[in-house]
Amino acid sequence: DAKTTQPNSMESNEEEPVHLPCNHSTISGTDYIHWYRQLPSQGPEYVIHGLTSNVNNRMASLAIAEDRKSSTLILHRATLRDAAVYYCIPRISGNTGKLIFGQGTTLQVKP
Amino acid sequence: DTAVSQTPKYLVTQMGNDKSIKCEQNLGHDTMYWYKQDSKKFLKIMFSYNNKELIINETVPNRFSPKSPDKAHLNLHINSLELGDSAVYFCASSQMPSYEQYFGPGTRLTVT
Repeated sequence: DAKTTQPNSMESNEEEPVHLPCNHSTISGTDYIHWYRQLPSQGPEYVIHGLTSNVNNRMASLAIAEDRKSSTLILHRATLRDAAVYYCIPRISGNTGKLIFGQGTTLQVKP
Repeated sequence: DTAVSQTPKYLVTQMGNDKSIKCEQNLGHDTMYWYKQDSKKFLKIMFSYNNKELIINETVPNRFSPKSPDKAHLNLHINSLELGDSAVYFCASSQMPSYEQYFGPGTRLTVT
């Protein structure tokens, strides 16, 4: 299983961009990089995923390093509702669907 | 409309009892999962079913038994509850095993 390293916590001001880094140097060539987040007292929520190219959706952008050993989740304008634990998860190739959650990054957003 | 629902939301019970947690998804997904989040907020997968067939069975005590009566439901039955079973249990579903997962609101189990 690929290991990930994320900062324990980060702070941001409301309406400013946030860059959440993740190192996954042992990722295999076929593993997708998934990001989930967990808001307080809620279940995890899918954010975005990618393989090699940068990806955008309505929630965030995902920038993947060329060597795929790291990625950055970008929230373009943080809101108070974005305060959550963000998990970077290399997705094991194959069909099991197993998600391995690490400690994640706790994002605080200040008004 | 609730995509993935769990009942009950809270469950308080005594050691040695047997209890069940129910999960239902109305997304038409083929795959369902159970995760456990302990007091340190560590999330770990327990089981997964795809088309009613068990495909993931992590190192979980035999006291935990998942049951999938149909593709829309995955229930978790726990026998002889122990203090260490206290946690939040999340159900999730996905269209296929490799697709993004949708999580339920969780069931907080407290064993006294």
